[in-house]
Amino acid sequence: ETGVTQTPRHLVMGMTNKKSLKCEQHLGHNAMYWYKQSAKKPLELMFVYNFKEQTENNSVPSRFSPECPNSSHLFLHLHTLQPEDSALYLCASSQGFSSGNTIYFGEGSWLTVV
Amino acid sequence: AQTVTQSQPEMSVQEAETVTLSCTYDTSESDYYLFWYKQPPSRQMILVIRQEAYKQQNATENRFSVNFQKAAKSFSLKISDSQLGDAAMYFCAYRDSGGSNYKLTFGKGTLLTVNP
Repeated sequence: ETGVTQTPRHLVMGMTNKKSLKCEQHLGHNAMYWYKQSAKKPLELMFVYNFKEQTENNSVPSRFSPECPNSSHLFLHLHTLQPEDSALYLCASSQGFSSGNTIYFGEGSWLTVV
Repeated sequence: AQTVTQSQPEMSVQEAETVTLSCTYDTSESDYYLFWYKQPPSRQMILVIRQEAYKQQNATENRFSVNFQKAAKSFSLKISDSQLGDAAMYFCAYRDSGGSNYKLTFGKGTLLTVNP
């Protein structure tokens, strides 16, 4: 059982659709992350939130819009995506930013843009 | 910028045998953390083991151990007595120490197959 839960696990959307990915962590952490995992590329950090405040936007296109209403929940709103945005989107959390703190990942949401 | 290189896209091992996965990294920092994550078919990234750069002793976790060579910037993972459940994608990752260093830099991964 994972302490970081992501829904939906699979999502297929058209380029004109609007959809959202949801992440919830049950670990009492205060930092949450979105990562993108594409085939044959290293994981890419997209967004970071600390105590609901965004601390990192790693040059992510505006068609991806994150939302963090509280320390336990993180959303990724998707709008007007491109086929190259198809990937596994991983949510993660940690107890603060101390580099020794382990980052815990969810099982990911598979996104296919058609 | 830090980089992490995993030179073995795929590896295979016989059940009960030992396998070593390679990882090298590039950094100008003297204090940092290194991690090995496992990603099974379920896709969840699971921490296998971590090493603090200021510790000379190699980290071990049951059947998993690392060979940390700081001068060579090498951080290999040894899996002993391999089990079928060890089959997964393994990622090496780096993280600076100090400050708000939340960024994990990942390698491209090594796909490990365990043959019965």
